[in-house]
Amino acid sequence: DTAVSQTPKYLVTQMGNDKSIKCEQNLGHDTMYWYKQDSKKFLKIMFSYNNKELIINETVPNRFSPKSPDKAHLNLHINSLELGDSAVYFCASSPRTGGPGELFFGEGSRLTVL
Amino acid sequence: AQTVTQSQPEMSVQEAETVTLSCTYDTSENNYYLFWYKQPPSRQMILVIRQEAYKQQNATENRFSVNFQKAAKSFSLKISDSQLGDTAMYFCAFTFGGSEKLVFGKGTKLTVNP
Repeated sequence: DTAVSQTPKYLVTQMGNDKSIKCEQNLGHDTMYWYKQDSKKFLKIMFSYNNKELIINETVPNRFSPKSPDKAHLNLHINSLELGDSAVYFCASSPRTGGPGELFFGEGSRLTVL
Repeated sequence: AQTVTQSQPEMSVQEAETVTLSCTYDTSENNYYLFWYKQPPSRQMILVIRQEAYKQQNATENRFSVNFQKAAKSFSLKISDSQLGDTAMYFCAFTFGGSEKLVFGKGTKLTVNP
């Protein structure tokens, strides 16, 4: 069983569309994250949720809206997609009790905006 | 603000040899944690090794070890007996106690040649 799974793994869409990426973890972790990896491979945190509550919201445009229906799921919805949104988006989870920074990552979702 | 710097964008090593990847960081925190993550071509991020700043002993995980120089704020990764499967992007990362945020360096692309 995949510990942190994201769908879809690849997404190609037109500028201006709205799209969602789903993430689920079966590790029983309390904390989940979204990270963005740009074309230069730079990874930066976007959001962090702890038990469905938003903990971190970096300077991300409000076109990006995370939603956590329960602590095992953290979805990312993006409105009015722009060319600069093209990136790989990684979902991750953390047990916290294992110590800060021990993240378990999904395989990433490559978003291409045309 | 915390920053992580990896000064080697790319490196290569022959199979079975040893390679060292550099990482420096900047922080005013006393209680912090350092990590090396590996991202193979499959894209999934995998934790390689972690180091708690309060521990003087360098962390070791099989063929992977770190040289943690706290005064110099340096955290290099040594890979011994390099294997083809070690080919990947390697990211140095930092977080501090109480933070949910992991700050990544820009990565070093390591190629292990047969």
